[in-house]
Amino acid sequence: AQSVTQLGSHVSVSEGALVLLRCNYSSSVPPYLFWYVQYPNQGLQLLLKYTSAATLVKGINGFEAEFKKSETSFHLTKPSAHMSDAAEYFCAVIGGQAGTALIFGKGTTLSVSS
Amino acid sequence: DADVTQTPRNRITKTGKRIMLECSQTKGHDRMYWYRQDPGLGLRLIYYSFDVKDINKGEISDGYSVSRQAQAKFSLSLESAIPNQTALYFCATSTDRADTQYFGPGTRLTVL
Repeated sequence: AQSVTQLGSHVSVSEGALVLLRCNYSSSVPPYLFWYVQYPNQGLQLLLKYTSAATLVKGINGFEAEFKKSETSFHLTKPSAHMSDAAEYFCAVIGGQAGTALIFGKGTTLSVSS
Repeated sequence: DADVTQTPRNRITKTGKRIMLECSQTKGHDRMYWYRQDPGLGLRLIYYSFDVKDINKGEISDGYSVSRQAQAKFSLSLESAIPNQTALYFCATSTDRADTQYFGPGTRLTVL
């Protein structure tokens, strides 16, 4: 069965610092992987997705993630944090019943200080 | 206009009441989903539907039911609400298995 583990429920960085949010997955088939962001009092917005094309995936707002099969990881990075990046981030893999639903990690809250 | 809308956005109700949460989409997608978000647990699947005649239980369907009235509408009902159903509920849509799922703004439900 597919599953996702996000390491660290809360990450704090200074403005301008590197952002690294960790995600490891478990999947018995080639995975489809996603990162979503949730701003306060809003729904989820797609940041980026991996669907077996390029292993380095670029998303919106300067974020990118690298798929590493050998490490079963899909970590999210951004070279320079901005105050507006403060939000909750979810890693997800396609799986579950009929292999169609998103299996989410528990989320990582990113705080950015000035 | 938003592509995926949910009504109501906030609801406070009492134990034992029947509640319906509604989701509408203008994206023309066949697949629709209901998820529940609890703090520290991420999102979990309640029900999903591939089309009007194809509805399936998700990971945590007990205590919930759904209705797919049309391609664009997917409703979630709590037949007899209980306090541990207090959560944030999201509707989502997609075209196929590997496609992005597009989420509505959520309904915050409180059961007293």
